[in-house]
Amino acid sequence: GAVVSQHPSRVICKSGTSVKIECRSLDFQATTMFWYRQFPKQSLMLMATSNEGSKATYEQGVEKDKFLINHASLTLSTLTVTSAHPEDSSFYICSARDLQGATREKLFFGSGTQLSVL
Amino acid sequence: GESVGLHLPTLSVQEGDNSIINCAYSNSASDYFIWYKQESGKGPQFIIDIRSNMDKRQGQRVTVLLNKTVKHLSLQIAATQPGDSAVYFCAEKENTGGFKTIFGAGTRLFVKA
Repeated sequence: GAVVSQHPSRVICKSGTSVKIECRSLDFQATTMFWYRQFPKQSLMLMATSNEGSKATYEQGVEKDKFLINHASLTLSTLTVTSAHPEDSSFYICSARDLQGATREKLFFGSGTQLSVL
Repeated sequence: GESVGLHLPTLSVQEGDNSIINCAYSNSASDYFIWYKQESGKGPQFIIDIRSNMDKRQGQRVTVLLNKTVKHLSLQIAATQPGDSAVYFCAEKENTGGFKTIFGAGTRLFVKA
């Protein structure tokens, strides 16, 4: 199946700094990627849809200036958490669809990034 | 709609028994449904999917049932094994612009040896 690689897997940063998370589709091209956020013992909450070559579409309540998304190529989307604060600490997960695959609707997920803001 | 921030319900089963995990979805326009398994600290792993024009689909040791009348999904795991212990999420793909996939609340499955 299609592989989505996410990096880093874990990051600890100081409050006020910015953190960049990368999401790559390794063996397929992804015109659209999705970024989710997950708090402990809770479900995945969709944050935004990342569109290659255009602006991301953010879900209601998600701050665009806080969570910067760039999808500059067909295999790479990045999420930058700007001026991170402790309440931004969470598990961030990216996903993508392989539109050339057997099931176009199926989402493939990265392994997630655990962000801890001190 | 979006999944709310609820703590996960738990299902505890004996090894070898069958497990049934239930899920209510929110959007009657959704046309594709998926069950995912998530182990601690990892991303969700695909288990099985079903389209809205079906009511049952079987995989290896797993079966998904879809009841569109009451917007209900279930995942049946046969002969549950310790390796099945994880959190299970149902997800629905909206049949609207953007084709977003929205996750349900999730259920934690404990398998007792």
